[in-house]
Amino acid sequence: DAGITQSPRHKVTETGTPVTLRCHQTENHRYMYWYRQDPGHGLRLIHYSYGVKDTDKGEVSDGYSVSRSKTEDFLLTLESATSSQTSVYFCAISDSGGAAGYTFGSGTRLTVV
Amino acid sequence: DAKTTQPPSMDCAEGRAANLPCNHSTISGNEYVYWYRQIHSQGPQYIIHGLKNNETNEMASLIITEDRKSSTLILPHATLRDTAVYYCIVRVSGSEKLVFGKGTKLTVNP
Repeated sequence: DAGITQSPRHKVTETGTPVTLRCHQTENHRYMYWYRQDPGHGLRLIHYSYGVKDTDKGEVSDGYSVSRSKTEDFLLTLESATSSQTSVYFCAISDSGGAAGYTFGSGTRLTVV
Repeated sequence: DAKTTQPPSMDCAEGRAANLPCNHSTISGNEYVYWYRQIHSQGPQYIIHGLKNNETNEMASLIITEDRKSSTLILPHATLRDTAVYYCIVRVSGSEKLVFGKGTKLTVNP
C-alpha cells in the first residue's frame, strides 16, 4: 500500500512473551502511527512518531512501547503479551501530520493465546 | 469518543450515486471533516477532507452544510468495489488523533 509494509501479517503468540511488530515505509514521511482495531471499538491510536527518536503516546498506550531509530522503520513492542492485546494492528504514515490524510498499511493480525 | 453520527448501513445500486450522510453538530471552527473507507479487512483508505467549502477529487465529493453541522460524501457512480465501511471523522488542525467511530457499511448491489 503506497510504500508501507507491515510484518508479520499474522502472528500467534503465548501470553507473557514479548512481541515486536514492524512497520516499514519507503515514502520518507515524517509521521508514523500505530493503531489497533477491535470489534465495537473501531481504530484506536496506540503511539505515534513525529521524527526519528521522537514518539508520543496515543489513547491506548498501556502495555506497548515503540521505537524509531530510522525514518523508515517504526517498531511496536508488546513487552509481555496479554490476551487483551489480541487485535488487528495497523500502521499509518503521513508527511503532514495527517492534514492531507494518512496512508495505512495492510495490518497485522495478532492472536495471544 | 467519536464526535460524528452516521447511519450503520446503507444500500446503493451499482452505477447510481451513493450519498453517505454524517452529523457532526458539535464541530468546532478549527476542526476538519475527513472521510476514510475500509474495504473488508484492509487498512483504511483516505478519501477526502474539508473545512467549510465543498471539495471534489477523483474519488468523491464532499458537501458540507453552511453551518458545518453535517456533511455528505458522494460517490457519483458507485461500483461493486465501493462496498466498504465508510468513516466520517472530525480532526482538530494540528492534532495527531483521528477518532474513528463505527462508520456506515455501504453495500453496492448489482
